[in-house]
Parts: sequence; C-alpha cells; structure tokens
Amino acid sequence: DTAVSQTPKYLVTQMGNDKSIKCEQNLGHDTMYWYKQDSKKFLKIMFSYNNKELIINETVPNRFSPKSPDKAHLNLHINSLELGDSAVYFCASSQASGGIQETQYFGPGTRLLVL
Amino acid sequence: GEDVEQSLFLSVREGDSSVINCTYTDSSSTYLYWYKQEPGAGLQLLTYIFSNMDMKQDQRLTVLLNKKDKHLSLRIADTQTGDSAIYFCAERRTGGFKTIFGAGTRLFVKA
Repeated sequence: DTAVSQTPKYLVTQMGNDKSIKCEQNLGHDTMYWYKQDSKKFLKIMFSYNNKELIINETVPNRFSPKSPDKAHLNLHINSLELGDSAVYFCASSQASGGIQETQYFGPGTRLLVL
Repeated sequence: GEDVEQSLFLSVREGDSSVINCTYTDSSSTYLYWYKQEPGAGLQLLTYIFSNMDMKQDQRLTVLLNKKDKHLSLRIADTQTGDSAIYFCAERRTGGFKTIFGAGTRLFVKA
C-alpha cells in the first residue's frame, strides 16, 4: 500500500547504456514529478506532468525522456548514460498543481550509479 | 536551490531545541514547506505555512515566518536522536508549477 513507489531502487550500469526508471502513485493525484538529487543532496526539478501533459521541462539533456502512460504513472528513460547522471532520482506526486494541493509526496528514490 | 538558502549543518544535544533557518527571495511565495529526509529515504512533508501566517505550531514543531525579511525557521523542541536527518525548506510561488527547494540542513543530534 505504498503511496509513491519507484523501481528499481538501485541501478548500476555502464556508460552508454539506456535505462528506464518507473514510478507509480496510488494516491489518485493529478500531478507527478521527477527530481534529481546530486551527491551534495541538492534537489532539482527535472519534469512535471499534470494529467499526462508535460507542464515543467527544466534544462535537462534530451537524453532524458519522461513518459506518462496514465496519470498514475510517470516513467523516466535515459539514453546514452553518462558518469554525471549518477545521482538519486526521486519521483513525487501532488493532488493538483496549485495551492496547498501541490504538497508533494515523494517516492523512496532510485540510486543510479553509472560506471 | 539558489533562491532558497539554508545553512548546511546544525549540531545539537539530545533534549535541546533545534532551530533551522531558511531565507527565500520571492515575496509572492504563497506556501512555504519543511520536508525531512532520513538516510536512504525520500522527502517527507513535516509541516507547511501559508504566507499570511506568522507562526504555526504542530506538537514539537514550530514554524516562524517573517515575511518582511523573507525568513522562515523551524524549531524542534526536545530534539531526539531520531530527528537526525536533512531538513529541506521549500517555497511555492504564485504562478507556474514549481516548488523550489533549498539545499537542505543536516541536523546531527548528539546523545
């Protein structure tokens, strides 16, 4: 009965590979997010979807492509992985994208290590 | 997090009060949040305050907002070792869809 879940929890891969991270929320929320947390714990928004539509697309390399098949899922595909992609990636969701309903609930994170 | 600033570290003794400070830049921010991140876990919402409030208390947590100085603080009374974590301040701006997070304050609680 986890609210926001991500798979896998750990991902170790070689440079140049393509990988996907999946996120699912069972809270009935309309909005989902991907964040990247670097080694210094700095948290940066990457993407946000509201009802399957992209609403935030920060300056992220186009090797990163989010996909939202339905409003309960937001997956992140990364092509041609680079060493600098090593980080913890957090998925989050919120009821809506305005006001206090925007309070975000975070998943446990996916720890990506690129060798 | 360049628009939301926090000190990086705070060390307190068990039983003392902890005060974590945050400054933000956008005076139009509507909601301000405090999140807690324990090792190996995601962020957990602790509390929030609306920008027209000065103070909010929730059990051991007290949030103070000085809107003139754009300063937010989180006070944890009777700090316990289980409070050791990273605390993130975040602001929600009017318009747009972004919540901006600070870099996090690492709270160490000594027994």
